Amino acid sequence: SQQGEEDPQALSIQEGENATMNCSYKTSINNLQWYRQNSGRGLVHLILIRSNEREKHSGRLRVTLDTSKKSSSLLITASRAADTASYFCATDRGSGGSNYKLTFGKGTLLTVNP
Amino acid sequence: DGGITQSPKYLFRKEGQNVTLSCEQNLNHDAMYWYRQDPGQGLRLIYYSQIVNDFQKGDIAEGYSVSREKKESFPLTVTSAQKNPTAFYLCASSTWAGARETQYFGPGTRLLVL
Repeated sequence: SQQGEEDPQALSIQEGENATMNCSYKTSINNLQWYRQNSGRGLVHLILIRSNEREKHSGRLRVTLDTSKKSSSLLITASRAADTASYFCATDRGSGGSNYKLTFGKGTLLTVNP
Repeated sequence: DGGITQSPKYLFRKEGQNVTLSCEQNLNHDAMYWYRQDPGQGLRLIYYSQIVNDFQKGDIAEGYSVSREKKESFPLTVTSAQKNPTAFYLCASSTWAGARETQYFGPGTRLLVL
């Protein structure tokens, strides 16, 4: 079963608006990562947040992590048409699983309309 | 120019045929991974390798085989035993720390059945 589940499955906004995507997971983690995928392309790493961190920023991206609720959010501010892509969260499997395995959610498809 | 390359971009398989997907990296990473992505789905782990001459089954290894004879290369063979091979295949690599660090992805190979 999926460890991470993104919400919503699809999001459509206007250029300049903020986009928020959420990720929930089931078991304890060491870190959570967000990746972006343009249609038909490979994934690109956006940001990694460790279990002892609560918030992290990178440019227009802001990621939060709430380990008590087993959830994370990705905020993209001042969105651009070029931000149109699918966004995935990925978690490791914590202390009970292999340190080499990431588990990906099904993703949120973000469409930014010009 | 560092990165991961996958070839071919598109691959067609006939019934009963084995096909091999290429993955090469020049990032000097120890760990390499193969994922399968179906439409509207997240990534599922097929095989991973932590070091040369060693590899482990992922979540959906049946019908697939791999080899890791060189650090920079991790080819995936889709065998005739894989009854539903049509998918987008992604190769990735990371440092020895694996899921606790960033994974770098290739551009993907789309496999279609004739």
